Amino acid sequence: NAGVMQNPRHLVRRRGQEARLRCSPMKGHSHVYWYRQLPEEGLKFMVYLQKENIIDESGMPKERFSAEFPKEGPSILRIQQVVRGDSAAYFCASSPIGTRVSAAKNIQYFGAGTRLSVL
Amino acid sequence: GEDVEQSLFLSVREGDSSVINCTYTDSSSTYLYWYKQEPGAGLQLLTYIFSNMDMKQDQRLTVLLNKKDKHLSLRIADTQTGDSAIYFCAERSNYQLIWGAGTKLIIKP
Repeated sequence: NAGVMQNPRHLVRRRGQEARLRCSPMKGHSHVYWYRQLPEEGLKFMVYLQKENIIDESGMPKERFSAEFPKEGPSILRIQQVVRGDSAAYFCASSPIGTRVSAAKNIQYFGAGTRLSVL
Repeated sequence: GEDVEQSLFLSVREGDSSVINCTYTDSSSTYLYWYKQEPGAGLQLLTYIFSNMDMKQDQRLTVLLNKKDKHLSLRIADTQTGDSAIYFCAERSNYQLIWGAGTKLIIKP
């Protein structure tokens, strides 16, 4: 049973380009979470999605960032017109169930992350 | 708002016990987690504890929770070189995880 798969592992972009980060959740999981980790910091929540729905995007910057989780295919985190401050590790997690359930059923399993470097 | 605090570094000798501490602020947190991150790798869930528990033990790992003081600790017995990593404490706030900055565990020979 494959874990959470993220690609690419490393992504280099020049300022002004677009970055597309992909996340395939664990088999049987229908809930996806994106987190951002800046150097020397913990993770910060960005967005929570179910299939075809954005449940909570309160951690997403208001501009340039968007996320989707289509009916078929991976979840995509898209950053338009990247700036140097977007350089970070972006982690995706998935869980079988979303809100207000016991931890045993709602463990978030993490991918290895995508490290974005903006030149 | 919620906040999770950890020391940034801990240095221990191989074979000794490591104790990594964490404080949190959200008294309504129901679950608290410890994750391990090795260099260049993702996050591995080590263990979690429900807020109505004081202690949880799993092989070399012991988690202690002091809910009154909002203090969580992770004890690693017989620390080995393979335990070198960054250890993150996280509290659950609804479905979000609120994270500490991580404690880097350094093992001295």
